[in-house]
Amino acid sequence: DTEVTQTPKHLVMGMTNKKSLKCEQHMGHRAMYWYKQKAKKPPELMFVYSYEKLSINESVPSRFSPECPNSSLLNLHLHALQPEDSALYLCASSQAGGNYNEQFFGPGTRLTVL
Amino acid sequence: AQRVTQPEKLLSVFKGAPVELKCNYSYSGSPELFWYVQYSRQRLQLLLRHISRESIKGFTADLNKGETSFHLKKPFAQEEDSAMYYCALSPMDSNYQLIWGAGTKLIIKP
Repeated sequence: DTEVTQTPKHLVMGMTNKKSLKCEQHMGHRAMYWYKQKAKKPPELMFVYSYEKLSINESVPSRFSPECPNSSLLNLHLHALQPEDSALYLCASSQAGGNYNEQFFGPGTRLTVL
Repeated sequence: AQRVTQPEKLLSVFKGAPVELKCNYSYSGSPELFWYVQYSRQRLQLLLRHISRESIKGFTADLNKGETSFHLKKPFAQEEDSAMYYCALSPMDSNYQLIWGAGTKLIIKP
């Protein structure tokens, strides 16, 4: 399996809801990423996990909570989001360590916050 | 300051015409540069990286350190090349972070 998969494809939630985004890869990658992408803009890095430990948090508000249960899975827990959080959320994975390694992106979850 | 600049938000060319998507960077060290492509309704994917010197889908990009540029070129555009193209730079002190350009939307007219 050489793809990053993400579920759900679409998510609509209210500002008081709690939901989770899921990401999975079976390429043996030990680095996994969450990005936020607004329409016609480049992705913005949110979090990086390396060897299942949080390596980078780009000052993301606490209403976004990442979790890496194992080397293949990455979750993003959402709570009390704002309408401006509506975006495409991308997961990516790569080899860890060494020089820059190609990041493989999932198809994204399109999130709408009402 | 580390920065990647793609001066064109939109580039429209006719099928069969040459294409050049511009990318300039600002970085004090030796950069590692990439072009990513996002076709409509498809995932973001790596098109090419300067270190590999490959030609992918007919595209090439040469790193010009003197002009601090990494322009993407194709001699004869195809309709399937229509997509969003992002130039990105990987800082040498980070294995995971990318500095992204704003992107150029390429439209190939029939």
